Amino acid sequence: GIQVEQSPPDLILQEGANSTLRCNFSDSVNNLQWFHQNPWGQLINLFYIPSGTKQNGRLSATTVATERYSLLYISSSQTTDSGVYFCAGCRETSGSRLTFGEGTQLTVNP
Amino acid sequence: NAGVMQNPRHLVRRRGQEARLRCSPMKGHSHVYWYRQLPEEGLKFMVYLQKENIIDESGMPKERFSAEFPKEGPSILRIQQVVRGDSAAYFCASSPARSEQYFGPGTRLTVT
Repeated sequence: GIQVEQSPPDLILQEGANSTLRCNFSDSVNNLQWFHQNPWGQLINLFYIPSGTKQNGRLSATTVATERYSLLYISSSQTTDSGVYFCAGCRETSGSRLTFGEGTQLTVNP
Repeated sequence: NAGVMQNPRHLVRRRGQEARLRCSPMKGHSHVYWYRQLPEEGLKFMVYLQKENIIDESGMPKERFSAEFPKEGPSILRIQQVVRGDSAAYFCASSPARSEQYFGPGTRLTVT
């Protein structure tokens, strides 16, 4: 199966700061998603982004499929952004099973 | 449109008992996936089902675990004779096709 590497593993920010989270894939994927796991453990869909760029409020994501990486941008961070951010992908040949990265633990301090 | 529903949200079982976790996909979604998140770890795929069919069970432990998605009713993940190592959060996801997966709130299983 594919390998998914996320960086950085941990990130501490002051409220209002911007950040970039990265996800590298060992092989090309046809499904790529970003999730936020909040402190209550719930997984929130952020983006479905096999390629291109999308924006949703203060969050945006870019996937460069040919170079097998994706970036998640968080601008003007808020304390409610704290939690773990996961990226996950799957290959056409792997059916539909998502392989998750180990996550980036984000802490936003007031 | 209600999201993916899972119940119970928390489940406590003693070693040797059976655990049954239920998942109702989003309306119009016929693809269901189960993932497990062990403490302090990421999520791992377990099984992928469509109505009455197991499509991919490559992530399921060989023994004690089974899953079904009947023609009527929710998908069920069943764990027989639970052991402490089964304590984890179990997430269900659904999709309308092989595309974006939407996750439920999870069931947190604690084995005592």
